[in-house]
Amino acid sequence: DSGVTQTPKHLITATGQRVTLRCSPRSGDLSVYWYQQSLDQGLQFLIQYYNGEERAKGNILERFSAQQFPDLHSELNLSSLELGDSALYFCASSASTGKREKLFFGSGTQLSVL
Amino acid sequence: AQKITQTQPGMFVQEKEAVTLDCTYDTSDQSYGLFWYKQPSSGEMIFLIYQGSYDEQNATEGRYSLNFQKARKSANLVISASQLGDSAMYFCAMREFLESGRDDKIIFGKGTRLHILP
Repeated sequence: DSGVTQTPKHLITATGQRVTLRCSPRSGDLSVYWYQQSLDQGLQFLIQYYNGEERAKGNILERFSAQQFPDLHSELNLSSLELGDSALYFCASSASTGKREKLFFGSGTQLSVL
Repeated sequence: AQKITQTQPGMFVQEKEAVTLDCTYDTSDQSYGLFWYKQPSSGEMIFLIYQGSYDEQNATEGRYSLNFQKARKSANLVISASQLGDSAMYFCAMREFLESGRDDKIIFGKGTRLHILP
């Protein structure tokens, strides 16, 4: 158990809908990262927060947004969903942003858009 | 431009043999970190090993070692005495710091699927 909690584990929804994925980082970790894993794309970096502040952005679509709350949990909001958004979404956390800090991953949320 | 390249989409290796998974990276930074993660069929991401760009010695963690060649920008993972449980997807990743010095992200390669044959 990595200590990172993601809910829900599975999510099935329809095109055009909006969903929220939730992540609780390991106790004490200030940094949260979101990744999207599609079948043939590996892990695509979406966005990173550190202590409530957005720090880095990857190839995150405008339909997607995220935030990190004062209690350090984070939410990833996906709207106007398309079939191509179906993927495994990972949240990861690290204690800080030091070079040696490794990421601890949650078990992921499998999103299926029908 | 792709920053992490894993050229082997899939590999088949006989049990108990050593296996090398290739990873090359691209960065203009002098200070960066390199990671390897394992993703078994269950889906979780498991940290294996870390190598810092200024580390003088190659990293080792049990049966895992990292063949770090800085000038070639390669960070190959070596698994000694492979086991059936090593069958999984393996990802190479790099942590780089962006221009501001405050921001960072960890980017992953597309992975190598390793199959260990009995």
